[in-house]
Amino acid sequence: DAGVTQSPTHLIKTRGQQVTLRCSPKSGHDTVSWYQQALGQGPQFIFQYYEEEERQRGNFPDRFSGHQFPNYSSELNVNALLLGDSALYLCASSPEVRAEGYGYTFGSGTRLTVV
Amino acid sequence: SQKIEQNSEALNIQEGKTATLTCNYTNYSPAYLQWYRQDPGRGPVFLLLIRENEKEKRKERLKVTFDTTLKQSLFHITASQPADSATYLCALALDNYGQNFVFGPGTRLSVLP
Repeated sequence: DAGVTQSPTHLIKTRGQQVTLRCSPKSGHDTVSWYQQALGQGPQFIFQYYEEEERQRGNFPDRFSGHQFPNYSSELNVNALLLGDSALYLCASSPEVRAEGYGYTFGSGTRLTVV
Repeated sequence: SQKIEQNSEALNIQEGKTATLTCNYTNYSPAYLQWYRQDPGRGPVFLLLIRENEKEKRKERLKVTFDTTLKQSLFHITASQPADSATYLCALALDNYGQNFVFGPGTRLSVLP
């Protein structure tokens, strides 16, 4: 049973460029969340997608945008990259939650370096 | 302001001892709290979930407690092993629908043989 798959695993971009990161959720999961994790810190919530719509958003600028496809896979786009965007970007999936909490299943992340 | 703290950035213990990790929060009212393990270069792995109306949860050598009065969760690993060495993250769920998690900074645990 494949877990959460993220691509690419590593990426180097130049300041001002744009980047797209991809995520395939675990089989049976339809909700995808994206997190940014700077070195030595906990993951910071970017946004969550369900039914192809952004359901909730953390404190990130509009340069960060996303998309969810009918097959539940998701993309994270970051425009006008800054040096401070260098981080591990994590995708987490879960089944639709209504009244109970679930543990997220995380991918291994995409390590983005902005130079 | 809202804040989550985890005890010391790093914790070293001897193999066989019990490791106790602390998660303290202020100005949050979490519906439930989770603990994750993260190895270097990997994503977090879910370990345990405890709800606001539960005092204690156990899973094999792991035990978590949740005190909403103290605004604190304790995470215990008994009979620790070098393979338990990792960073452990607590995460607060701010609603019952799992739409918004807030993670702590993590504690890096090293179990020495």
